[in-house]
Amino acid sequence: AQKITQTQPGMFVQEKEAVTLDCTYDTSDQSYGLFWYKQPSSGEMIFLIYQGSYDEQNATEGRYSLNFQKARKSANLVISASQLGDSAMYFCAMREDSWGQNFVFGPGTRLSVLP
Amino acid sequence: DTGVSQDPRHKITKRGQNVTFRCDPISEHNRLYWYRQTLGQGPEFLTYFQNEAQLEKSRLLSDRFSAERPKGSFSTLEIQRTEQGDSAMYLCASSRGGSVYIKNIQYFGAGTRLSVL
Repeated sequence: AQKITQTQPGMFVQEKEAVTLDCTYDTSDQSYGLFWYKQPSSGEMIFLIYQGSYDEQNATEGRYSLNFQKARKSANLVISASQLGDSAMYFCAMREDSWGQNFVFGPGTRLSVLP
Repeated sequence: DTGVSQDPRHKITKRGQNVTFRCDPISEHNRLYWYRQTLGQGPEFLTYFQNEAQLEKSRLLSDRFSAERPKGSFSTLEIQRTEQGDSAMYLCASSRGGSVYIKNIQYFGAGTRLSVL
């Protein structure tokens, strides 16, 4: 079974609008971390935001925020005020306490920001 | 603060040849990771080092693959007798050690794109 599901292969958003990218995960661990990365066409994976399973507040980093619903096992990324430079692949990833150091990534969502 | 650097950025080789990639992590990071990413997929974990010790290996890392980090700084990933199925982006990442175990952010390089003809 897939540990990370991103159901939106592609998304379009108008410049300056907000967009939500979905991520659901599967784990039986109590302790885990969720990460979002951006991958532009240049290939480098850029860290955006982190949410710990025990964090009581939703994470925010500038225009990025995470809508964390632990009971539903979802960690959706919200990008506010989209910019043309936000066009990229976005990956949700998880690290579980019992799985060691490696991340498990989802298949990604391609976001296109329209002028 | 210099990021993770990978060399070469692109490699084209013929089937059956050996290739070697290099990764230089962020200088104060003692953990180093290798991932493979095929077209349209997320990265898949290959292996992980803490300092010079290789502590985890995925079953994706067949016996044709070997990774080293001899002095706990840079790392190399070698693929012997390349096959067309090895064509992919090979990503390296590094992170700090520390007590906040789960929040260990991995910082990635730009990757090496391998094409096996």
